[in-house]
Formats: sequence, C-alpha cells, structure tokens
Amino acid sequence: GQNIDQPTEMTATEGAIVQINCTYQTSGFNGLFWYQQHAGEAPTFLSYNVLDGLEEKGRFSSFLSRSKGYSYLLLKELQMKDSASYLCAVLDSNYQLIWGAGTKLIIKP
Amino acid sequence: GAVVSQHPSWVICKSGTSVKIECRSLDFQATTMFWYRQFPKQSLMLMATSNEGSKATYEQGVEKDKFLINHASLTLSTLTVTSAHPEDSSFYICSARALAGETYEQYFGPGTRLTVT
Repeated sequence: GQNIDQPTEMTATEGAIVQINCTYQTSGFNGLFWYQQHAGEAPTFLSYNVLDGLEEKGRFSSFLSRSKGYSYLLLKELQMKDSASYLCAVLDSNYQLIWGAGTKLIIKP
Repeated sequence: GAVVSQHPSWVICKSGTSVKIECRSLDFQATTMFWYRQFPKQSLMLMATSNEGSKATYEQGVEKDKFLINHASLTLSTLTVTSAHPEDSSFYICSARALAGETYEQYFGPGTRLTVT
C-alpha cells in the first residue's frame, strides 16, 4: 500500500530552527509537495521537489532523497505565525497526490 | 498566481436538504479538480477526482449518489451534498490542477464549512 509518515506534532521556540521529516512508500514517484495549513483554512503551497537535493526559498527549505524515500522541511528564524500544520504529499505514478496526516507545529515565545 | 475560489465559504442547512458548493479556477484552466473533506484535527481526505466533461472518480467509501460532482467546464466544478445529515458536517475543500503545468501542483480553494443541523 501507499504510506506517508510524518510526526504528529512538534514544538519549537520562536527564532529557532525546526526540521519536519517525511518518509514515504508509494507506487511510483513524480514529486513531493509540502503545504502549510493554518487552522480552519485551506492548504497553501510551500515547495515541490522532484530531484534529490535541497531547495531553498527564503526561511523555508525542502530536501529530498528519492533513494531513501525521505524528505524534510526546514524552517528557520521561526515566527509565531509559522504555527500551523505542515502537510507532506507525494505525487504517485498516476499523478494522484497521496497525503500525509500532517505535522502540527507549535511555536512558543 | 493561480487562484481558486469556492462558494459559499460557509453554510448551515437542515438535515435532509441538499447543498451545492461551487469551485472555480479564476485565472487558469483546470483539467482536473479534486474534492477533499477534512474533519477537525484530521488530515485531508480525497473524496473524488473530476475531469472536465467526464464522470468523477470517487474514492473508496465515498457515496457517489450522495456527493454529486459536476465538472461542466475547465473553470467550474460543483459538489452537491444530497440529503445532508449531521455527520456530513465538515470542511470541504476543492483544488484544481492547471491544464498545462510541469509540477502538477494543486491550487486550493479557501474551503467551505458545512454544518448540518
């Protein structure tokens, strides 16, 4: 079956760095997405990785290792507004998005 | 950037009535639109995938006669919850995938919060 694992919840301090991991086992791979979702709102796109390596976009970076079925989202200089759920999703061989359950990130002052 | 709208943003209806939710891609053409449901503190659950001009493909466990999906054009898809019951109360989110794109990114609408009393 298809499976995406990410931690349920993480806590970090304002101004610090946090890494949210995602491992996946899917039928085929056509890329991995990270989305941010604030409570009561729809997800918003953060990043897309299809090749191995690190993609940096401002305070957020996303890493992919296809051989290990592994990705992480790195958030630097954490701000209170970064408190949200972070969803990992993999595009499978049918170009369908397979979603992880999401990681709730709590930022403390 | 690509914008997807949903209407209404929230709706309260009585048990047994039907509710229609519209999803529109405002500045691009969407070959495929997706309908998700999300219960509190849970992840997104894909309900169905619809391609313009063809019947929607429903996920296992989703009743196609209860959740009617119509994708009449490249910019509009509708979800009708028929004979709604309190257990259908949820956050319904649509997303759209562009006609031409390399990343297969899905652009999400703002969601519709349905409460059935």
